[in-house]
Amino acid sequence: GIQVEQSPPDLILQEGANSTLRCNFSDSVNNLQWFHQNPWGQLINLFYIPSGTKQNGRLSATTVATERYSLLYISSSQTTDSGVYFCAVEAGGSYIPTFGRGTSLIVHP
Amino acid sequence: SQTIHQWPATLVQPVGSPLSLECTVEGTSNPNLYWYRQAAGRGLQLLFYSVGIGQISSEVPQNLSASRPQDRQFILSSKKLLLSDSGFYLCAWSEGVDEKLFFGSGTQLSVL
Repeated sequence: GIQVEQSPPDLILQEGANSTLRCNFSDSVNNLQWFHQNPWGQLINLFYIPSGTKQNGRLSATTVATERYSLLYISSSQTTDSGVYFCAVEAGGSYIPTFGRGTSLIVHP
Repeated sequence: SQTIHQWPATLVQPVGSPLSLECTVEGTSNPNLYWYRQAAGRGLQLLFYSVGIGQISSEVPQNLSASRPQDRQFILSSKKLLLSDSGFYLCAWSEGVDEKLFFGSGTQLSVL
């Protein structure tokens, strides 16, 4: 099956800092999604981004499908950005979203 | 708008007892439904998925089973829980292949 690797595994920031999270995948994909899991366990879909760039407030994401990676940018981080960020991909013909192991982000005030 | 309900939020069960976790989706028809488990250490493991009533696919052979008795209802069950069944269980849905995935609020299961 497809392999999904996320980096870095852990990230600690001071409030106001910027960061870039990376997701690499081993095969061509039909879609890629980014999620944020808050400290209470709720997973929120941030972006559906099989290719190109999208922005939503302080967050933006870019997927370069031909090079098999995606980046999630967080600008001017806030304490509420803390949690775990996952990317998930679906390979062609698959019904199965496969998740990376996530990046744990802690933003200190 | 679509919503997903998952319950209970927390559950403590003795080893050997049965399990039933329920998930329902509102505001959509014929969704794809998924059960994931998240153990300590973060990764999400797909347990079961369903593309229609009575259609269940298992990704990992184990002590659990799933059923889809109605279009928007997905149930995770076990006849006898093991200690290793402890974890955070998440139900999710999408409108089809290559569509956005949405999660329920999860059930924290502790088997003692």
